[in-house]
Amino acid sequence: KAGVTQTPRYLIKTRGQQVTLSCSPISGHRSVSWYQQTPGQGLQFLFEYFSETQRNKGNFPGRFSGRQFSNSRSEMNVSTLELGDSALYLCASSFTGQGGAEAFFGQGTRLTVV
Amino acid sequence: GQNIDQPTEMTATEGAIVQINCTYQTSGFNGLFWYQQHAGEAPTFLSYNVLDGLEEKGRFSSFLSRSKGYSYLLLKELQMKDSASYLCASVGDYKLSFGAGTTVTVRA
Repeated sequence: KAGVTQTPRYLIKTRGQQVTLSCSPISGHRSVSWYQQTPGQGLQFLFEYFSETQRNKGNFPGRFSGRQFSNSRSEMNVSTLELGDSALYLCASSFTGQGGAEAFFGQGTRLTVV
Repeated sequence: GQNIDQPTEMTATEGAIVQINCTYQTSGFNGLFWYQQHAGEAPTFLSYNVLDGLEEKGRFSSFLSRSKGYSYLLLKELQMKDSASYLCASVGDYKLSFGAGTTVTVRA
């Protein structure tokens, strides 16, 4: 059984550019959530999707957006990149997104903004 | 929110036992996860507790008390490879809320 797949693994972008990250959940999982991890702030919740609907959103500016497709794959987009957006972006997949079962993480996308 | 508190650092000797405590706010709580994260890598799933009591998985065990808003992860027979950050996370409102992580250092 394949795990959670995130692409790309590494990315270098320039300030002001935009970026799209992809996450394919474990087969059968319908919930995908996104997190930003930085040394200073730890793991911070960005948003969660279930059956193409965003059910919760963290305290991030509107430059951060996401979506989920009918096959449960999810993308997140960051526009007008800032140096502070440099981080490890992780997605987690689970059956429900509301507990009751395990939640597994992908390997993450390490974004560097220069 | 689900304010999660866990110690910042712990050090133990190879072969010993270490217990990492975690406290959380109980409102909107649907379960408690523990993850292990090595430097530069993604978190890997260790355990999930939703009912009170102890769950044992080999050298790792996790305990939950919902009424007290308290959990712990017990690492037995410590090995050098167990040196990592251990993250406590509660689930509720369709998200995981993480503690800052406990860095465990295993010394020979």
